[in-house]
Amino acid sequence: GAVVSQHPSRVICKSGTSVKIECRSLDFQATTMFWYRQFPKQSLMLMATSNEGSKATYEQGVEKDKFLINHASLTLSTLTVTSAHPEDSSFYICSASNPKTGNYGYTFGSGTRLTVV
Amino acid sequence: GDSVTQMEGPVTLSEEAFLTINCTYTATGYPSLFWYVQYPGEGLQLLLKATKADDKGSNKGFEATYRKETTSFHLEKGSVQVSDSAVYFCALHGSGNTGKLIFGQGTTLQVKP
Repeated sequence: GAVVSQHPSRVICKSGTSVKIECRSLDFQATTMFWYRQFPKQSLMLMATSNEGSKATYEQGVEKDKFLINHASLTLSTLTVTSAHPEDSSFYICSASNPKTGNYGYTFGSGTRLTVV
Repeated sequence: GDSVTQMEGPVTLSEEAFLTINCTYTATGYPSLFWYVQYPGEGLQLLLKATKADDKGSNKGFEATYRKETTSFHLEKGSVQVSDSAVYFCALHGSGNTGKLIFGQGTTLQVKP
């Protein structure tokens, strides 16, 4: 149980364009999804927490207008990187949770490697 | 705030050697502790976890014991293989949280034949 799917696994985009990344919980309903970012050879840092049906909570220093998060259903959250720049190139990875059903966000998607050229 | 500190890498071992990767944490309350593994170019896989003091998590020959007295959760394996080469992350889930994980900086393990 607790399978999380992420799509796409890799994306290359041009500077100034927007990219959407999807995170899906396949076998449970996720009331909360977490978006992390990992720079090369570094650890994972939480960017934001998205709760189904409400606005996402962003960590300090993360631009909410640049990283748009939508959690419109209990199985899907999306992260849109708007007006992407080369410094946004990174590995983005999500996890999903529903504490009421015993899923605490310990399972991660396979990640998305974004390259902005 | 809560934090996790891992030993610096990279760690280079010969096949069949004994592995220890140190992890210590700072947290209020009673966190759950995790080890994740990340193979090159891939996402995170949960390797093992422990949810209370003195619990031992184990999987695929790896073990870690939750030591509250030393606030540690060191990862060990008795005999590493080349296929164990990866980056290992120690993480904690603070008590009262809804799923946010705090990660250590990661330790790269390279196992040579």
